[in-house]
Amino acid sequence: AQRVTQPEKLLSVFKGAPVELKCNYSYSGSPELFWYVQYSRQRLQLLLRHISRESIKGFTADLNKGETSFHLKKPFAQEEDSAMYYCALGTGTASKLTFGTGTRLQVTL
Amino acid sequence: GAGVSQSPSNKVTEKGKDVELRCDPISGHTALYWYRQSLGQGLEFLIYFQGNSAPDKSGLPSDRFSAERTGGSVSTLTIQRTQQEDSAVYLCASSSQIRGEKLFFGSGTQLSVL
Repeated sequence: AQRVTQPEKLLSVFKGAPVELKCNYSYSGSPELFWYVQYSRQRLQLLLRHISRESIKGFTADLNKGETSFHLKKPFAQEEDSAMYYCALGTGTASKLTFGTGTRLQVTL
Repeated sequence: GAGVSQSPSNKVTEKGKDVELRCDPISGHTALYWYRQSLGQGLEFLIYFQGNSAPDKSGLPSDRFSAERTGGSVSTLTIQRTQQEDSAVYLCASSSQIRGEKLFFGSGTQLSVL
């Protein structure tokens, strides 16, 4: 069965410090990986997806099939990055998503 | 156009009562999901509708939970004989069902069971 693990419930960093939110998955097939973000009092929304290989708001994530990881990184954290981040795994042709338990990122001055 | 719409936004009920939560997906989206969001549990998958296929109900926590999707559009999640542990935010999402396509989430229904 597919599973997504986000080991940190809370990650607190200083403004300007590098950020890495960890995500590991288990799935025997070809995965689709996503990062979703929920800012305070806003809807859950897509941040980025591995197939696009894009950088959004300075965030990047590389799919490492050997380590079954899809860690989210940003070199310099900003206050507005404070939010709840969810890693998600899409499997099969129907793209049903399995989410991790989420990591709350807190950026402080 | 409008995004995914959920109603009510807040629902307070007494233990043992039934509740119905509504989701109106984005027009044309054939895939519809229900998730439950609670502190420390992240996003828990409940049920998934895809087009005219039989729904994937594998995430429903008990037989008190059921969901319907009428006419391939609006969906209703029903919780019978609510319990305090049912208190959570219930999120609905829809997508075009194309592999790799993103989900659009509603703002959720905050359910409180007293």
